Amino acid sequence: AQSVSQHNHHVILSEAASLELGCNYSYGGTVNLFWYVQYPGQHLQLLLKYFSGDPLVKGIKGFEAEFIKSKFSFNLRKPSVQWSDTAEYFCAVNAGWTWAGTASKLTFGTGTRLQVTL
Amino acid sequence: DTGVSQDPRHKITKRGQNVTFRCDPISEHNRLYWYRQTLGQGPEFLTYFQNEAQLEKSRLLSDRFSAERPKGSFSTLEIQRTEQGDSAMYLCASSLALRGSGSGENIQYFGAGTRLSVL
Repeated sequence: AQSVSQHNHHVILSEAASLELGCNYSYGGTVNLFWYVQYPGQHLQLLLKYFSGDPLVKGIKGFEAEFIKSKFSFNLRKPSVQWSDTAEYFCAVNAGWTWAGTASKLTFGTGTRLQVTL
Repeated sequence: DTGVSQDPRHKITKRGQNVTFRCDPISEHNRLYWYRQTLGQGPEFLTYFQNEAQLEKSRLLSDRFSAERPKGSFSTLEIQRTEQGDSAMYLCASSLALRGSGSGENIQYFGAGTRLSVL
């Protein structure tokens, strides 16, 4: 069974600081990888995704993530955070293949709460 | 708003009562998922449907839980004889899975959730 580890539970940064959130997954086969964000009082929103191809993927709001297959990692980065980036960030992996050949359930990490101070 | 809609947003019930939640997916989406999220944890998969067929159930889904998607559109999740341990946020997500696409791409869009408190 797949699992996802997010090692940073709570991160506090000042505005303009650089961000890197770690994500490691456990699954030996082909995976799809996601970062979701949950702003205070809002629902989960997709930040970025990796399916195949270029391992460096860019998402919304200046976020990017790099898939390193040999390290089973998909770390999230942003060069300069803003106060509005304060949110909870979830890494997720999709590796359940159905008879139809498309992946099904998502397995999430426990999340990282990011607090950006002015 | 054409996103995933969940009703109610909050539900407070007494232990032993039955509760039912509803999820309306994005209209053209053929897959619908239920997840449960407790404080300090990420969402955990419960079950999912492709059209009206329930294709997978997690071992988290005890026999007190039942989910339906009778016409392949909205879905309901019922919890019978609620327990305090059922208190959580119940999330619904939907996606469009393209049969035979080969790409495996499947992006899930989430609703705001139903927060259940069992007293």
